[in-house]
Order: sequence, then structure tokens, then C-alpha cells
Amino acid sequence: GQNIDQPTEMTATEGAIVQINCTYQTSGFNGLFWYQQHAGEAPTFLSYNVLDGLEEKGRFSSFLSRSKGYSYLLLKELQMKDSASYLCAVKGYSGGGADGLTFGKGTHLIIQP
Amino acid sequence: DSGVTQTPKHLITATGQRVTLRCSPRSGDLSVYWYQQSLDQGLQFLIQYYNGEERAKGNILERFSAQQFPDLHSELNLSSLELGDSALYFCASSVEQLAVPPYEQYFGPGTRLTVT
Repeated sequence: GQNIDQPTEMTATEGAIVQINCTYQTSGFNGLFWYQQHAGEAPTFLSYNVLDGLEEKGRFSSFLSRSKGYSYLLLKELQMKDSASYLCAVKGYSGGGADGLTFGKGTHLIIQP
Repeated sequence: DSGVTQTPKHLITATGQRVTLRCSPRSGDLSVYWYQQSLDQGLQFLIQYYNGEERAKGNILERFSAQQFPDLHSELNLSSLELGDSALYFCASSVEQLAVPPYEQYFGPGTRLTVT
């Protein structure tokens, strides 16, 4: 099975940088995804890591260490519209093929002026 | 707009009833996934279909079933509804194929189900 942990809530200031951590335990690993979700809306894809290291995409970067079961999402130059929940998700792999995503419960990020 | 469509947007029904939720994937995507999101459980994977065949099962109850049709749209059937089934139900699609690295999933706007 899969177990994913991330902080429940974080607060940051507009223009600053914030790092959201995610740790996971999995019986099979086929990639780690980060999604953003505004309240009542669909999750939207932010980034994907399958190999160790940093992936950068504009103001967003994501890091993965498979040996430590650890990832983080880094958001730079924070804007008020970045207030949302950030979901860490792991894609498993079982003998029968790829599985659906297992999501953490999300980190609710509050941006203050 | 992700390109994934879901109908209806809202559904209110009574306990014991049966409902069908519909999803049309993005053009060209062969994989369809269904997720349930409730306040206490977060986003939970229910089931995946790939090109009409069931590929993976998550935490789907026996009262729930799904299928993917030849035109690749999918339906999720929920029966003998209970109060606890009230949730947001999302469909997602991806170009994902077998034995290749996974691709991102694009989520539809969801169907909000309220069971009274």
C-alpha cells in the first residue's frame, strides 16, 4: 500500500518563497506528482518527478529523493492566487500494471499580503 | 479548461437510490480514472480503465461500478447510496499507455453528489 504525509497548513507572505514537503512509503513507485487545487475546483497538474533531483518549471520546482521517500515543492515569488491546496501524489506499480494516483491529504497554503 | 468533461455538475438524491456519473476524456486519451474526494478522506482513487478494459482498482466499494465505452467515454454507477457517499467525484484522463513512464492526469470539473 501507499502512505503519504504532508503538512496540513502553511502560511507565507506575498513575494516570498515557500517549500512544501511530502514523505511517502510505497510498495511500488512509478513517479511522484504535485497538483494544485483551489477549493471546489479540479486539481491541476504542476510537476512530475520519477528520477532523483530537481525539476524546474517557471516559479515552481519539485525535488525527489527516492532513497529517502521524500519530495518537496518549491514556490517562488508567491502571488495571492497561489493560495490553494497542494497535493502530493504517488503513482504505484503493481504486478498487473500501473496504478492510479495515491494522494496525500493536501497542504492548504495561505498567502498573506 | 482541461478538456475533460463531466456531467452532471451537481446531483442530489436520496439514500438507497442509484445514480450514473458520466465522463468524456480529452481527445486522444485512452486512460480514464475515477476519484472520490470527501472532506475527511481526501482524494481517493477508485478505478482506472484503459481503452475499454479495467486496468487498476483502488478503494472502490462493491456498490460502485464503472465502464468505458468504445467511444472512450466512461460512466461511474453508484447504487444503494448512503449518506457517506456524498462527495465530489472526479474523472481524469491521460495518454498513459502500458509499460511506459506515467503521464500527468487531467481532471474534469467534477460532479458534486449530495445524498440526503
